[in-house]
Amino acid sequence: AQSVTQLGSHVSVSEGALVLLRCNYSSSVPPYLFWYVQYPNQGLQLLLKYTSAATLVKGINGFEAEFKKSETSFHLTKPSAHMSDAAEYFCAVRRTSGSRLTFGEGTQLTVNP
Amino acid sequence: DAGVIQSPRHEVTEMGQEVTLRCKPISGHNSLFWYRQTMMRGLELLIYFNNNVPIDDSGMPEDRFSAKMPNASFSTLKIQPSEPRDSAVYFCASSQDRGYTDTQYFGPGTRLTVL
Repeated sequence: AQSVTQLGSHVSVSEGALVLLRCNYSSSVPPYLFWYVQYPNQGLQLLLKYTSAATLVKGINGFEAEFKKSETSFHLTKPSAHMSDAAEYFCAVRRTSGSRLTFGEGTQLTVNP
Repeated sequence: DAGVIQSPRHEVTEMGQEVTLRCKPISGHNSLFWYRQTMMRGLELLIYFNNNVPIDDSGMPEDRFSAKMPNASFSTLKIQPSEPRDSAVYFCASSQDRGYTDTQYFGPGTRLTVL
């Protein structure tokens, strides 16, 4: 069965610093991986998704993620954090059959001025 | 596009009362999902429909919960009777389900408080 593990429930960075949010997956077959962001009191919004077309995936708001099969990872990065990036971020994996997404536990990102 | 619409946005009720949450998916989407989010359990899939048919309801907690999708543009999640432990944010999401890479679009959620 597919699952994802997000390392670190809380990450704090300074404005302008690198953002790195970690996600590791377990899957017996090549997975389809997603990063979603949730701003306070809002629903989840897709940041980016890995569909096997390219290992480096660029998303919205300057975020990107790299699929590394050897490390079973799909970490999310942004070179320079902005105050508006403060939110909760979820990594998710999709089964190869059906529509079900399995979400990680989420990482709360705080950006300090 | 108006996005996924959920109502009400907030609901406060007393234990034992019936609660009905509503969702209108994005037009043209044929899959609809109900999620529950709590601090303790994170984001859980309760049920999902494809072409108005329930496909996977294994996440529905118990018989007090029921979901329907009478047509492609409307779904309800009902809790009867409600209990304090049902307090959570309930999200509806929809997708076109043309393949494994389809994006799920989430509504703003309904914050339910059961006293």
